[in-house]
Amino acid sequence: GESVGLHLPTLSVQEGDNSIINCAYSNSASDYFIWYKQESGKGPQFIIDIRSNMDKRQGQRVTVLLNKTVKHLSLQIAATQPGDSAVYFCAETIYNAGGTSYGKLTFGQGTILTVHP
Amino acid sequence: SAVISQKPSRDICQRGTSLTIQCQVDSQVTMMFWYRQQPGQSLTLIATANQGSEATYESGFVIDKFPISRPNLTFSTLTVSNMSPEDSSIYLCSAGGQGNQPQHFGDGTRLSIL
Repeated sequence: GESVGLHLPTLSVQEGDNSIINCAYSNSASDYFIWYKQESGKGPQFIIDIRSNMDKRQGQRVTVLLNKTVKHLSLQIAATQPGDSAVYFCAETIYNAGGTSYGKLTFGQGTILTVHP
Repeated sequence: SAVISQKPSRDICQRGTSLTIQCQVDSQVTMMFWYRQQPGQSLTLIATANQGSEATYESGFVIDKFPISRPNLTFSTLTVSNMSPEDSSIYLCSAGGQGNQPQHFGDGTRLSIL
């Protein structure tokens, strides 16, 4: 079946560095992508999302890039802090025909980000 | 964004018993979902909880094992039936998906079966 995968299961960076977490997806019909952060003992927390009609979206210290040609998604975290240490998941889904709602998410395997002080 | 509360947060259960997990959302939502996350792994969708009708189950998950209720637009339950050690996992509830709103998650129920 369709799946979302990650290139790097673990990433270790120094505080202050920029982090890049990658994700490959296989369903070319997917048109909405979400990045989640999951800290130990917590549920996934929404970070940022992007629709397929965009290539880039920026938030506070985070940027998501979407390359539909090669079905690749990345999350960039600027000036990474120890509080950013967590597992990061990408997820994909498809909007309904009217573009008003979407349903189930397919999650990637996750990347463990460790930030060293 | 919706705030999602799950109860219990964790439990240890005996083999062969059943446990019902509750999920409460602080606002009305059209769509609610139940996921399973096995230790050290990603999230897998169990089912979509439909208000007023039977849940829609994903491949590999059946109603007899994971009965779901959705009595209204703010509440859902998932029961894990006739539990075995293989059911030890984190069970997560999510809500959302309407318009441009992302799905938000509860903190999960950590279930261990002895």
